[in-house]
Amino acid sequence: DAGVIQSPRHEVTEMGQEVTLRCKPISGHDYLFWYRQTMMRGLELLIYFNNNVPIDDSGMPEDRFSAKMPNASFSTLKIQPSEPRDSAVYFCASSLGRILYGYTFGSGTRLTVV
Amino acid sequence: KQEVTQIPAALSVPEGENLVLNCSFTDSAIYNLQWFRQDPGKGLTSLLLIQSSQREQTSGRLNASLDKSSGRSTLYIAASQPGDSATYLCAVRAQGAQKLVFGQGTRLTINP
Repeated sequence: DAGVIQSPRHEVTEMGQEVTLRCKPISGHDYLFWYRQTMMRGLELLIYFNNNVPIDDSGMPEDRFSAKMPNASFSTLKIQPSEPRDSAVYFCASSLGRILYGYTFGSGTRLTVV
Repeated sequence: KQEVTQIPAALSVPEGENLVLNCSFTDSAIYNLQWFRQDPGKGLTSLLLIQSSQREQTSGRLNASLDKSSGRSTLYIAASQPGDSATYLCAVRAQGAQKLVFGQGTRLTINP
């Protein structure tokens, strides 16, 4: 398996622009998570899906953030409009829901908003 | 609310030493605990997963222990090598929850 695949690896955008981050989970995994990592706050959960349905979006910082999972093999995290304080590394992870299994993370997208 | 703490925040040791990284969590009602490694600018690589019913897991030179009742886990690295230099993160999955709660990590440097 190729693991969790995220794109792009790096994104530099100007303040006010729309940014879309993409994630392909491991085939067969029924949970997908979006995390954000910053120096100040560490790793924070933004939202997670179960069988393509959003379950908990309480970590989404503002209405500027939205996430979708149109099918089992694809998810997007969109920021519109972007702001400099959104600069961070965004990780996608997937898992089987059974408690015996751990989580597999993608390589992340480093977002810089200037 | 589950909180995870890792001490120390940074550790520098000479090559060849055995070392222990610490992780503590406030709520002992967990399903499992996972240790990750993160290299600079990279993603998270899973090292070990310990279920709540287990006391330890081993993989090569790594050994992770879990004392759920006291809310503690340790990651033991034997015969450290410069290639072990990275940030080590622990994360717990609380009972009844799906998400992982992470500690802030320990940045480990192994000096040749």
